[in-house]
Amino acid sequence: SQKIEQNSEALNIQEGKTATLTCNYTNYSPAYLQWYRQDPGRGPVFLLLIRENEKEKRKERLKVTFDTTLKQSLFHITASQPADSATYLCALDENNNDMRFGAGTRLTVKP
Amino acid sequence: NAGVTQTPKFRVLKTGQSMTLLCAQDMNHEYMYWYRQDPGMGLRLIHYSVGEGTTAKGEVPDGYNVSRLKKQNFLLGLESAAPSQTSVYFCASRPGTGGSYEQYFGPGTRLTVT
Repeated sequence: SQKIEQNSEALNIQEGKTATLTCNYTNYSPAYLQWYRQDPGRGPVFLLLIRENEKEKRKERLKVTFDTTLKQSLFHITASQPADSATYLCALDENNNDMRFGAGTRLTVKP
Repeated sequence: NAGVTQTPKFRVLKTGQSMTLLCAQDMNHEYMYWYRQDPGMGLRLIHYSVGEGTTAKGEVPDGYNVSRLKKQNFLLGLESAAPSQTSVYFCASRPGTGGSYEQYFGPGTRLTVT
């Protein structure tokens, strides 16, 4: 069966450290993968998209990698801040229409 | 631009009652989506639409119907609500083919079925 798994339900790190979140998938062949941020009581907000032919994408303190052999994406936040505390969702799409999301990882950055 | 708006924000229904959730977007997007979000399960796609007058089933369509009579609106209907439909419902939209794949989400509707 198809699955999208995000490594842990919750991740706690100290301010200034790098947070690394993992998204693994099985029985999908996505053309691209996306990462979203969700704050409590709000809808998800798009952060980054990486295509199957790209190894790495960066945006300010964010970095995403995509390994289609391992069927895994890693999401990094460098120099993390308490304001980065949120739930992060990965999502993938095989056919341009039907998006599937992981359950999310709740990140807490402590001062 | 208001982006994606959802009506209502909260609703409590009794089992067997019906209701319609309204999603509106002012970005001229072709694609629109309805998701439900339950604790520990992430977002699950209910139905989606790739253009005015078209709809398609997603991962969990049973018990829901949708309509896209106007490009800017996507309605989600519950004909006979069940406690299992207690959830937070999110609508999203994105440009069509050739546009960005980024989805824009509404603020959500929290529905409780007793």
